[in-house]
Amino acid sequence: NAGVTQTPKFRILKIGQSMTLQCTQDMNHNYMYWYRQDPGMGLKLIYYSVGAGITDKGEVPNGYNVSRSTTEDFPLRLELAAPSQTSVYFCASTPGRTDTQYFGPGTRLTVL
Amino acid sequence: AQSVAQPEDQVNVAEGNPLTVKCTYSVSGNPYLFWYVQYPNRGLQFLLKYITGDNLVKGSYGFEAEFNKSQTSFHLKKPSALVSDSALYFCAVRDSGAGSYQLTFGKGTKLSVIP
Repeated sequence: NAGVTQTPKFRILKIGQSMTLQCTQDMNHNYMYWYRQDPGMGLKLIYYSVGAGITDKGEVPNGYNVSRSTTEDFPLRLELAAPSQTSVYFCASTPGRTDTQYFGPGTRLTVL
Repeated sequence: AQSVAQPEDQVNVAEGNPLTVKCTYSVSGNPYLFWYVQYPNRGLQFLLKYITGDNLVKGSYGFEAEFNKSQTSFHLKKPSALVSDSALYFCAVRDSGAGSYQLTFGKGTKLSVIP
C-alpha cells in the first residue's frame, strides 16, 4: 500500500490563480480530511468527507472547495489564490470515526 | 465546541531523562484523545490514542499517555528520552458523540532532546 499520496509536493502561485491539490488513498478508507498547517498554529480542518459523494465544511473552508466522486480521491480546489492561503496542506484518511488518521506527506503552497 | 491546549511551545530534556509533554482538552461529551508526532518536512504520524478503558495508554516508540478525566488532561510521557525523539508533538481530541467527525489539534510542542 502506498497509503495517502499528495501531489504536488511544492507549488508557487500568483495571486488570483487557481489550482487543485490532489489526494489519493489506497486503503479503502471512508473518511478523508484536508488540513492546513500554519507555523505555531497546529492543524486546522478545511473540509472533510465521510464517503463518496458526501463532503462537509471544517473550521476554515473559505476560499476552498472539494469533491469526492470516488472513495480513493479527495481533491482540494483553491479558487482565486490569496497570500493568506500560503501554508502546508495535509490530506488524511481513516477507516472509521474513532480510528487513527493516516496523513499524506503534505503540499507546501506559496502564494505571491 | 471542542478544544485542546498544549501549554508549552517547547520542551527541552537531556537524553536518558524522562520526558513529559502536556495536553489538556475540552469537549462536551466523552473524549477520544490522540497523540501524533511530526518530523521535519513530513506528515503527522500516529503515536497512541485513548478511546475507552484503561487510563494508561501505551503507544509506539516507548511512549505512553495517561488519561485523567478529573483534570481533563492527556499528558504524553516516556521514561528515557532519545535524541531521535526530537520532533513536533501534537495532541488532538474528538467528541465521542454521534455525528462528530472533526479532530481538533493543539498548536504543537517542539521537543528537543539534548545529547
